[in-house]
Amino acid sequence: KAGVTQTPRYLIKTRGQQVTLSCSPISGHRSVSWYQQTPGQGLQFLFEYFSETQRNKGNFPGRFSGRQFSNSRSEMNVSTLELGDSALYLCASSLEGVGGVNEQFFGPGTRLTVL
Amino acid sequence: AQTVTQSQPEMSVQEAETVTLSCTYDTSENNYYLFWYKQPPSRQMILVIRQEAYKQQNATENRFSVNFQKAAKSFSLKISDSQLGDTAMYFCAFMKPPGGSQGNLIFGKGTKLSVKP
Repeated sequence: KAGVTQTPRYLIKTRGQQVTLSCSPISGHRSVSWYQQTPGQGLQFLFEYFSETQRNKGNFPGRFSGRQFSNSRSEMNVSTLELGDSALYLCASSLEGVGGVNEQFFGPGTRLTVL
Repeated sequence: AQTVTQSQPEMSVQEAETVTLSCTYDTSENNYYLFWYKQPPSRQMILVIRQEAYKQQNATENRFSVNFQKAAKSFSLKISDSQLGDTAMYFCAFMKPPGGSQGNLIFGKGTKLSVKP
């Protein structure tokens, strides 16, 4: 079974631009979460989607948004890019189960550099 | 709000020896989940081990085991017979019980482990 895939793997943008990152979860997984990883702040939760609905949101400004499609693929968008948005963006998917917590499987990440 | 603290930014261990990574957390929840994730230099994050707070027995996965002290809010990872492939960043993570959400992992800052031949 294919793992979580993220595209593109690397991205260079300039301040003020917007960017869209894509994540394809493992087949059958309906929960997709996004995290931002930076050297200074570490790993921070952005948001989680399940069945095309945002279920949980981290403490990020409204410039960060996302969506999920009917096939569970997810995109996140960052508008009006700032230098501080340079980070590794990780996507994780999990299999929704009854009770308990299921393992989150992470993708390789998208390295975003804002110049 | 929950917080996760890893007090050891870097550690090193000789191949075949045992090493323990520390993690403490703060929460007012009684039921929750704790995880150790490994992120090798290739960057793919993988789950090493998990612990449900309601279980008193410490989790074990082959060479990896945890020492879960609920009252002390401590969750350390022991790696036995260290191998070169264990070289990676290790993150301790916390998750509240699912209440309609399974995605919100709260991570510590990580411990960079180097296994030396």
